[in-house]
Amino acid sequence: AQSVTQPDIHITVSEGASLELRCNYSYGATPYLFWYVQSPGQGLQLLLKYFSGDTLVQGIKGFEAEFKRSQSSFNLRKPSVHWSDAAEYFCAVGSGGGADGLTFGKGTHLIIQP
Amino acid sequence: DADVTQTPRNRITKTGKRIMLECSQTKGHDRMYWYRQDPGLGLRLIYYSFDVKDINKGEISDGYSVSRQAQAKFSLSLESAIPNQTALYFCATSATKNTGEWEQYFGPGTRLTVT
Repeated sequence: AQSVTQPDIHITVSEGASLELRCNYSYGATPYLFWYVQSPGQGLQLLLKYFSGDTLVQGIKGFEAEFKRSQSSFNLRKPSVHWSDAAEYFCAVGSGGGADGLTFGKGTHLIIQP
Repeated sequence: DADVTQTPRNRITKTGKRIMLECSQTKGHDRMYWYRQDPGLGLRLIYYSFDVKDINKGEISDGYSVSRQAQAKFSLSLESAIPNQTALYFCATSATKNTGEWEQYFGPGTRLTVT
């Protein structure tokens, strides 16, 4: 069965500092990987996705993620965070490309210090 | 107008009551999904549907049922609600692109409290 692990429940970063959120997955075939963000009281917004090709993918809001098959990882990065980035971040893996639904990690809560 | 809408947005109900959560979409997508979100657990798939004749159980379907009334409508029912079904429920839709990629679009969520 597929699974996603986000090792960090909470992360605190100073505004302007760089950010890396970790995601490890377990999946038998080629994984389809996603990062979503959920702001307080809001729904989920897709930040970026990886299906194939270039292992470094660019997303919205200045985020990027790198797929590393050898490490079963898909870490999310941002060079300089803004206070508005404070939110819950979810990594997910999709079976059938996501057509059969997504398996989510438990999320990482990002806190931004002024 | 939002592409994926959910009604109601908030609902408080009592143990043992039957409740239905509704989802509608204007994206023209074939596939629809129901997830629940619990604090510290992320989102978990309840049911998904490929079309009106195709319904599939997800990871946590026990205690739930669904109905795909039309391509654009997908309802989630709790036949006899219990307190541990208190959660935030999300509907999502998806469609394939020419490359074979899928992308899911989420509704705003329904916060359900069972007392």
